[in-house]
Amino acid sequence: DAKTTQPTSMDCAEGRAANLPCNHSTISGNEYVYWYRQIHSQGPQYIIHGLKNNETNEMASLIITEDRKSSTLILPHATLRDTAVYYCIVRGSNYKLTFGKGTLLTVNP
Amino acid sequence: SAVISQKPSRDICQRGTSLTIQCQVDSQVTMMFWYRQQPGQSLTLIATANQGSEATYESGFVIDKFPISRPNLTFSTLTVSNMSPEDSSIYLCSVDRAVGETQYFGPGTRLLVL
Repeated sequence: DAKTTQPTSMDCAEGRAANLPCNHSTISGNEYVYWYRQIHSQGPQYIIHGLKNNETNEMASLIITEDRKSSTLILPHATLRDTAVYYCIVRGSNYKLTFGKGTLLTVNP
Repeated sequence: SAVISQKPSRDICQRGTSLTIQCQVDSQVTMMFWYRQQPGQSLTLIATANQGSEATYESGFVIDKFPISRPNLTFSTLTVSNMSPEDSSIYLCSVDRAVGETQYFGPGTRLLVL
C-alpha cells in the first residue's frame, strides 16, 4: 500500500475550519484514501473515504487532487471535541489498514 | 456501521500469565482484525481472524504468543500469552462487513502487565 505523509501536529481555533493535509504521491489507481481519527486512546473512528472524487458527509469533506497525489480533510466548524489524532490511510486491494503516526489536531477555545 | 464490543475493557495482569480478549459484533461480518497500540505509538496489525481456519499473522507476530479464535461470523478472541511488561498496550478489534467495505473499530482493551 502507498505510504502517506502528514504533519505531526496542527492547531485550529474553535469554530473555524480545520484543514488537514495528506501526501500520498505513490498511490495506485485502485487505492482509496481513508481518514480515521482517534480521540484520547479510544478506538479509531471512521470519518470519510474517497477514490478520486471529492466527498462530503455529516462529519467532514475530503478533497482529493486531480492527480490523486494528495488530499485534504476539512472539518468545517471545528469544536473542542474534534481534538484528536487524525490518520490518513491509503487502502489497497489487500484491504488492510496501515496506520502512520497521523496528525495531532488541537482545537483551541 | 457496526457495533463492536470488547471484554475486558481494561485489565492489570502479572507477568507470565495469559489474558483472553473477546470481540463481539452486533451482526455477521466477513473480516475481523486484531491490532495492537503500544504506549505513544500508532496502531499495528497483529492478524486477520479467519472464520473456520487459522488466523493470518503479520510479520513479527506469531500464533504461540497471540493465539486467535473465530468460531463464527460475529465473535473472535485474542489471547496474549506468557505476558511481559512489553505487552502493555491497547488491543483493538476491527471488522469489515464485507470484503473491501469500511472497517470499524471496537473500543479497545487496555492491558497493563506488571
